[in-house]
Amino acid sequence: RKEVEQDPGPFNVPEGATVAFNCTYSNSASQSFFWYRQDCRKEPKLLMSVYSSGNEDGRFTAQLNRASQYISLLIRDSKLSDSATYLCVVSRYSSNTGKLIFGQGTTLQVKP
Amino acid sequence: DGGITQSPKYLFRKEGQNVTLSCEQNLNHDAMYWYRQDPGQGLRLIYYSQIVNDFQKGDIAEGYSVSREKKESFPLTVTSAQKNPTAFYLCASSMGDGHYNEQFFGPGTRLTVL
Repeated sequence: RKEVEQDPGPFNVPEGATVAFNCTYSNSASQSFFWYRQDCRKEPKLLMSVYSSGNEDGRFTAQLNRASQYISLLIRDSKLSDSATYLCVVSRYSSNTGKLIFGQGTTLQVKP
Repeated sequence: DGGITQSPKYLFRKEGQNVTLSCEQNLNHDAMYWYRQDPGQGLRLIYYSQIVNDFQKGDIAEGYSVSREKKESFPLTVTSAQKNPTAFYLCASSMGDGHYNEQFFGPGTRLTVL
């Protein structure tokens, strides 16, 4: 089983749609969780950190369920510019290290 | 402008050659990382450094070497021992080595072995 699993997609949605991505992780000791966005042939960039209480940033909402070891990202009112690959990222250990595990990514295509 | 730079953007190598990828940051970050990305796969950690003059192997260190002589610089050498070096190489840095610290990425180097 992969340490971080994502549905690779692609998810094809019309502009204005709401779309949700899910991610599961295997290490219950993981402490930090992130969503990164990666455009085609570019470097990943942090979209948002994921907090236990859930957090929202504009049209983006992230949720964490530690019991189920599950993270989600919800995008409302999709824009063409949201088309990208979304990487679920989890810290590897509970110890104080910056080592992260990256999922393979979920590709989103927003159509006009 | 603060950031991370990587050079070259594209690199072509003949089999049997060693090549060195450059990574420089002016963010005053202590920790730096090298990842490799293959099509359809997540990023995999090659090496990381939490402080100058110290570095640790990641998950796929075989065939690679690094140095960290200066805080700003973390070059990666892809040696001829690396069996399948064609990939997208990404360098990252973070303020500290804590698991909560955001990692900032450079633009990457695409290495192709001919």
